[in-house]
Amino acid sequence: KQEVTQIPAALSVPEGENLVLNCSFTDSAIYNLQWFRQDPGKGLTSLLLIQSSQREQTSGRLNASLDKSSGRSTLYIAASQPGDSATYLCAVYGNNRLAFGKGNQVVVIP
Amino acid sequence: DAGVTQSPTHLIKTRGQQVTLRCSPKSGHDTVSWYQQALGQGPQFIFQYYEEEERQRGNFPDRFSGHQFPNYSSELNVNALLLGDSALSLCASSFRQLPYEQYFGPGTRLTVT
Repeated sequence: KQEVTQIPAALSVPEGENLVLNCSFTDSAIYNLQWFRQDPGKGLTSLLLIQSSQREQTSGRLNASLDKSSGRSTLYIAASQPGDSATYLCAVYGNNRLAFGKGNQVVVIP
Repeated sequence: DAGVTQSPTHLIKTRGQQVTLRCSPKSGHDTVSWYQQALGQGPQFIFQYYEEEERQRGNFPDRFSGHQFPNYSSELNVNALLLGDSALSLCASSFRQLPYEQYFGPGTRLTVT
């Protein structure tokens, strides 16, 4: 069974600092890894998808890396803003399903 | 291009009742998956539908059932509701081919009293 872990569970950073969010998974037999953003009580917004053959993806201030062999991914958010405050979820796709971590709850302090 | 839509937005039911939730996939997508998210937890996979058949199922009891229609839309049915079924129900759609990118709807907030 795939287990996905996200550390830390919660963090606060001052505006302008870079954010680093970590994700680990136990089974490397995955097709892809997605990072999602979730605002309170809302659905999931896809931020980045990294296919299993790729090492990283970038979109604006966001960069995500994937090391499939070690079962790790990192999401970097450069120059954080108060609008980045949300929960960030990491999920891996395999066996016709996404397996999620519990998320990193982020607060960016103005 | 409309994304994934779900209805209703919110629902309040009494223990023991039955509920039906609906999902319309993103235009062109042929695969629909359902997830349940309890407060403070990551979403948990319920099942996936493709070509109107359940293709994969997570660790949920038979009280949870689903259906996919010829237009790819889907329903999630839950019978004999328990207090523990209170959660955000999320629908995701995708193409059934690489890279299997999942697009989520806004969810249905179900409260069981």
